[in-house]
Amino acid sequence: DTGVSQDPRHKITKRGQNVTFRCDPISEHNRLYWYRQTLGQGPEFLTYFQNEAQLEKSRLLSDRFSAERPKGSFSTLEIQRTEQGDSAMYLCASTLGAEGETQYFGPGTRLLVL
Amino acid sequence: GEDVEQSLFLSVREGDSSVINCTYTDSSSTYLYWYKQEPGAGLQLLTYIFSNMDMKQDQRLTVLLNKKDKHLSLRIADTQTGDSAIYFCAEYRDDKIIFGKGTRLHILP
Repeated sequence: DTGVSQDPRHKITKRGQNVTFRCDPISEHNRLYWYRQTLGQGPEFLTYFQNEAQLEKSRLLSDRFSAERPKGSFSTLEIQRTEQGDSAMYLCASTLGAEGETQYFGPGTRLLVL
Repeated sequence: GEDVEQSLFLSVREGDSSVINCTYTDSSSTYLYWYKQEPGAGLQLLTYIFSNMDMKQDQRLTVLLNKKDKHLSLRIADTQTGDSAIYFCAEYRDDKIIFGKGTRLHILP
């Protein structure tokens, strides 16, 4: 257990539905990252926050995806109008924010879109 | 190229050494990592190396870095069945971690 928690751990939804995932980082960590991992691939960067500010979004993050970190603590990732191609493991990681500092990963939320 | 490259599969006999190789993309990357992922589990940081080092040893793990060739390797001595997992090579670039596709390590009895 790294101290980063994610909820839910598994989510099955029908195409077209909206889903929201939550990540609780290690409490003193300033930076929070979201990654997506599809089968047979390594994790791919989606977006990250420094405190409550969203500093970067990947081109992988379509308009249907939105992430927030309203108080600089937990974060949510919402996917609207889900598509089958959104099926993946969504990983959250947190770090204090110094360059290269170890990112601690949560267990992930596995999404299956039917 | 843009990608962190690593071979997809490695098969090793129990007790032998495993060597997983990787080439990364950015010669200015300051941190390079090896992560382990067991089936159905999250990512576990195994070890990392600063770019100003060429070797790091941690118990059964040895990391070698060749900056000139942008080549990173992970050696696991005395490979055990519990080492069976996917191993990801990764580099720190532009405030984020860029991962390879992972090498699946299979242990033969």
